[in-house]
Amino acid sequence: AQSVTQLDSQVPVFEEAPVELRCNYSSSVSVYLFWYVQYPNQGLQLLLKYLSGSTLVKGINGFEAEFNKSQTSFHLRKPSVHISDTAEYFCAVSRGSYIPTFGRGTSLIVHP
Amino acid sequence: EAQVTQNPRYLITVTGKKLTVTCSQNMNHEYMSWYRQDPGLGLRQIYYSMNVEVTDKGDVPEGYKVSRKEKRNFPLILESPSPNQTSLYFCASSYTGRGETQYFGPGTRLLVL
Repeated sequence: AQSVTQLDSQVPVFEEAPVELRCNYSSSVSVYLFWYVQYPNQGLQLLLKYLSGSTLVKGINGFEAEFNKSQTSFHLRKPSVHISDTAEYFCAVSRGSYIPTFGRGTSLIVHP
Repeated sequence: EAQVTQNPRYLITVTGKKLTVTCSQNMNHEYMSWYRQDPGLGLRQIYYSMNVEVTDKGDVPEGYKVSRKEKRNFPLILESPSPNQTSLYFCASSYTGRGETQYFGPGTRLLVL
């Protein structure tokens, strides 16, 4: 079975500060990893994904994430956040099966 | 424009009154799925479909039905809604489902009284 843990339910940060949203997963086999963002009153959209290859993955809006197999982590980072980055962020894992597992979400709140 | 549409976007109903939430995609995707989103629980998959006439249960299928008669449509049916089905529902689609990006609809907020 696979599971995803997002370690922080809420992350407050000031505008232009760096941010890291943490995600750990458990799976006994190779996985695909995703970060999705949900802006207020909208559906989810893909930020970035790791399938194979380079462990540093770059996504949209200046976000990046690093796959760490030994620590089973896939943390999301941005060096300088904007007010418009305020949203809910979801980490998800799939073993290639049809049922991806989502984390409970991290609410990123950017303060001016 | 490539998109997943859901209707209605908002729905208030009463216990036991059958309802259907429609989902349609225009990207010729084979894989479609339904999720519910609840505070503190994230997204949980209800049902998914790998292609026309092929559906299977997700993690929380109780109280829901689905059908896939056409590739583009994947309606979610609540035969006898109950208050614990009050939630935010999302439809999603992808080309094949296996490890691929899912495209989400805008969501349907359901309140069952």
